Amino acid sequence: GESVGLHLPTLSVQEGDNSIINCAYSNSASDYFIWYKQESGKGPQFIIDIRSNMDKRQGQRVTVLLNKTVKHLSLQIAATQPGDSAVYFCAENVGNQGGKLIFGQGTELSVKP
Amino acid sequence: GAGVSQSPSNKVTEKGKDVELRCDPISGHTALYWYRQSLGQGLEFLIYFQGNSAPDKSGLPSDRFSAERTGGSVSTLTIQRTQQEDSAVYLCASSRAGGSLHTFGSGTRLTVV
Repeated sequence: GESVGLHLPTLSVQEGDNSIINCAYSNSASDYFIWYKQESGKGPQFIIDIRSNMDKRQGQRVTVLLNKTVKHLSLQIAATQPGDSAVYFCAENVGNQGGKLIFGQGTELSVKP
Repeated sequence: GAGVSQSPSNKVTEKGKDVELRCDPISGHTALYWYRQSLGQGLEFLIYFQGNSAPDKSGLPSDRFSAERTGGSVSTLTIQRTQQEDSAVYLCASSRAGGSLHTFGSGTRLTVV
């Protein structure tokens, strides 16, 4: 289940199940969104991105959904594997503010074998 | 280089000392970014370079923090008179001109004792 507080929200799933990680973004002017995966001791690694003129984009085992009406982004991981265990961050870019990204708090995904 | 390289990977310093963190971006990436990540937190934007100039320094937390970039390549983040609250992982990223898809380095873990 999920827990929110001083610690990162955590999602625990069984290997082989699908995972859904949610993110509320902050700026209605944001026009580009990225999901990153961060393993312990490493920098964030790109997973998938989506522009604001789309509402869905699929990659290999991953799908990103964008709902601009409620400023919500989700990452779906199909057939979750132990190697998917990591912290996942959503990030947004506001087009008229240069290339910097605004990151969400992150969700820790734990996959049980 | 093939990826974003940061050095040192770990730095322990005494309170009040100055530290320099180095970032070598991907060859050809004109944009370079510095972020800070405290334990269990998301990434906090510090500064962004386009070429050698810094159009956005809005995230630098105090005047003890400064950064420079020379030759459109290597960047150095300097923290003067370090404080314990400066302890964090400092991440550098680079992107192509006009884009905000960041490729991150592995970070420098700074510990101020």
